[in-house]
Amino acid sequence: AQKITQTQPGMFVQEKEAVTLDCTYDTSDPSYGLFWYKQPSSGEMIFLIYQGSYDQQNATEGRYSLNFQKARKSANLVISASQLGDSAMYFCAMREAAGNKLTFGGGTRVLVKP
Amino acid sequence: KAGVTQTPRYLIKTRGQQVTLSCSPISGHRSVSWYQQTPGQGLQFLFEYFSETQRNKGNFPGRFSGRQFSNSRSEMNVSTLELGDSALYLCASSGRTGTMAEQYFGPGTRLTVT
Repeated sequence: AQKITQTQPGMFVQEKEAVTLDCTYDTSDPSYGLFWYKQPSSGEMIFLIYQGSYDQQNATEGRYSLNFQKARKSANLVISASQLGDSAMYFCAMREAAGNKLTFGGGTRVLVKP
Repeated sequence: KAGVTQTPRYLIKTRGQQVTLSCSPISGHRSVSWYQQTPGQGLQFLFEYFSETQRNKGNFPGRFSGRQFSNSRSEMNVSTLELGDSALYLCASSGRTGTMAEQYFGPGTRLTVT
């Protein structure tokens, strides 16, 4: 069974600094996708970035990048130049090849300090 | 393009009642998934519908059911509500299948059972 672990329940980061959010996963399926979502206090899940298990390069989307280490089964999210609006819960999720079911980690709450 | 919409946004029900939540996916998306989010259990997959057929189901009791209409709109029903059903219910739509398909979430329906 697939499993996602986010070991950091919460963290503070200074505005304009970079922050790394940890995510490790476990699956026996060779084909899978890894996702990061942001959830502000409003509740909506906002898609940030995707990494496929066969992708050779780490994914990047603006200030977000994904540090994918397949052998270690980790998919850490790096947010560069943090902004106050980045304060939110961040979830790592995985989907195996069949269907659209996402398995989520427990989330990391990020608070950006001015 | 309009995003995923969910109605109602907030709902208060009494134990024993039943409730129906609605989700309208992004235009052209045929897959709709439902998730339950609680502080204790986190984000858990309920079920996925694709072209009016349930394609995947999570580990929830039979009180939780859903359906999808020909226009891809989906409804989720919970019968005989329990206090533990209080949660944020999120639906997500996807236009593709497989591991590369992003899922776009709606704002959620916050259900409170008293």
